Amino acid sequence: EAGVAQSPRYKIIEKRQSVAFWCNPISGHATLYWYQQILGQGPKLLIQFQNNGVVDDSQLPKDRFSAERLKGVDSTLKIQPAKLEDSAVYLCASSFLSGGNEQFFGPGTRLTVL
Amino acid sequence: RKEVEQDPGPFNVPEGATVAFNCTYSNSASQSFFWYRQDCRKEPKLLMSVYSSGNEDGRFTAQLNRASQYISLLIRDSKLSDSATYLCVALGNEKLTFGTGTRLTIIP
Repeated sequence: EAGVAQSPRYKIIEKRQSVAFWCNPISGHATLYWYQQILGQGPKLLIQFQNNGVVDDSQLPKDRFSAERLKGVDSTLKIQPAKLEDSAVYLCASSFLSGGNEQFFGPGTRLTVL
Repeated sequence: RKEVEQDPGPFNVPEGATVAFNCTYSNSASQSFFWYRQDCRKEPKLLMSVYSSGNEDGRFTAQLNRASQYISLLIRDSKLSDSATYLCVALGNEKLTFGTGTRLTIIP
């Protein structure tokens, strides 16, 4: 079974530039999550989708971050404009259902903002 | 206070030893708990769920103490391959909250 796919794997940009990340969840998984993991910390949930609807985006910095899952399958996360403190690994995860279902993570996108 | 707190370590443990990690959580309404494992520069993967009655999976034992709001993970007969960061996770309001992780290195 194919896992969660993410691209790109690495991205280096300068502050104030824009960047977008893409995620394709495991087939059939209704719930998709975007996490931010700063070095030395655990993953922090940015946004959770159930199909194409947003369930939780309370920790998403909406002045610069946006995400969509228009057809309820793959998703994009965008940062515009980027700040130095956005340097982190952005992890996408999916689960069959929400709640206590096991979340399967993709390999992540490592973002460096210079 | 963080919702989920762990000792970040590092724990450097000789091969074959037993090691235990504790984790505390602040939200008494948290419903379920998990341990995830994260290898260096890799994604987190579910290690095991934590049940109120305690549960065991091979060399790994997880326990939950709701009264004291802490979770533990015990690794017996540690192997070199157990070297990783162990993330304590609490589920509340259908959202997972991760601790910072405890870094474990098994020494030959």
